[in-house]
Amino acid sequence: GESVGLHLPTLSVQEGDNSIINCAYSNSASDYFIWYKQESGKGPQFIIDIRSNMDKRQGQRVTVLLNKTVKHLSLQIAATQPGDSAVYFCAAMNSGGYQKVTFGIGTKLQVIP
Amino acid sequence: EPEVTQTPSHQVTQMGQEVILRCVPISNHLYFYWYRQILGQKVEFLVSFYNNEISEKSEIFDDQFSVERPDGSNFTLKIRSTKLEDSAMYFCASTLRGGVTYNEQFFGPGTRLTVL
Repeated sequence: GESVGLHLPTLSVQEGDNSIINCAYSNSASDYFIWYKQESGKGPQFIIDIRSNMDKRQGQRVTVLLNKTVKHLSLQIAATQPGDSAVYFCAAMNSGGYQKVTFGIGTKLQVIP
Repeated sequence: EPEVTQTPSHQVTQMGQEVILRCVPISNHLYFYWYRQILGQKVEFLVSFYNNEISEKSEIFDDQFSVERPDGSNFTLKIRSTKLEDSAMYFCASTLRGGVTYNEQFFGPGTRLTVL
């Protein structure tokens, strides 16, 4: 039978440029938002999380911005490197849910050397 | 660095057969999870497990699925009678703590299940 899959949005970025990956969410009750990176053939890898009472959090080369008014989350990667090429998933967790993480549709980041 | 391991990396089975996917979580972690990812789609939560019992499960986790921690190290997902639509990548994850604060979930490399 026919197999239907989702076409991942793709972001192509030149090496050294900054990348911005966006995500929209629907559940206002989420307490935490998380970004994961998934390289080909591997499991999701935690990048950074942000609590819902914050609007910005910085890590090493990464920044997550949260806009609760429009239910929007973004991941900024500074000075993108070839090793950053992967699929990036935003995810959310509700504190009452035994750490259950709900993933969004990923974005494929392609870094052009 | 401690990591979650999963075996086998690829499992091929006939429709209707039982499969057991195995995971070894990080040794001092207490909370365990199974997720699945159908090819090209998002990662979906199946079940969480703590203190030898299921703490939460999704609609996907029906009576055909079961989980077990048979000893102090392994965490297994059993599918009793596989269907074609069970073909997916299955990820195990573990966290050290639970509670209301997010605790980083460490994911294994996954088992690719192919049902023919």
